[in-house]
Amino acid sequence: GAGVSQSPRYKVAKRGQDVALRCDPISGHVSLFWYQQALGQGPEFLTYFQNEAQLDKSGLPSDRFFAERPEGSVSTLKIQRTQQEDSAVYLCASSQGIESYEQYFGPGTRLTVT
Amino acid sequence: GNSVTQMEGPVTLSEEAFLTINCTYTATGYPSLFWYVQYPGEGLQLLLKATKADDKGSNKGFEATYRKETTSFHLEKGSVQVSDSAVYFCALRGSTLGRLYFGRGTQLTVWP
Repeated sequence: GAGVSQSPRYKVAKRGQDVALRCDPISGHVSLFWYQQALGQGPEFLTYFQNEAQLDKSGLPSDRFFAERPEGSVSTLKIQRTQQEDSAVYLCASSQGIESYEQYFGPGTRLTVT
Repeated sequence: GNSVTQMEGPVTLSEEAFLTINCTYTATGYPSLFWYVQYPGEGLQLLLKATKADDKGSNKGFEATYRKETTSFHLEKGSVQVSDSAVYFCALRGSTLGRLYFGRGTQLTVWP
């Protein structure tokens, strides 16, 4: 079956531009996570949704980062006024349940801010 | 708080060599522990997991044992293959809503 998909796969933005990154989770998955992976580092948690409710946004690095999942399926991570330090791979993961289920990761969106 | 410390790479081995990648953790409560693998050009995949102390996770010839007394979850394989070349991430899931805490990753290259 289809896995987690993300688009675009690559995004180049000029500093100060706004970007929107999309995640299509596995159909029926309740939980959705966003992670940020800087070059040479492990993924760092950004935010978590259970259906359409954003239950944890403690990892969002600034108020320029915003995520939504309005219908409990597709999610969008938006970054306003991008900065060079936002350059990273943004990973989306979904899981069937709340805590004890495997997280399935998408291929990521590589964002480069110039 | 929760954190994972992982052996730094890169690790370069010949085919059929023995592999160990060290992972230690700090956690509150009773975490679950994971190894994820990222093959070139692909997304993160779960390799194995252990959900309580003394559990052994295993998959594709890889093993790791959850050691509470040493707060460790070292990854081992008795005989690596060229196809095992990838980046390996140790991770833990605490008790809060399923978020994962990852180590920095270890690049493994296996030569024929």
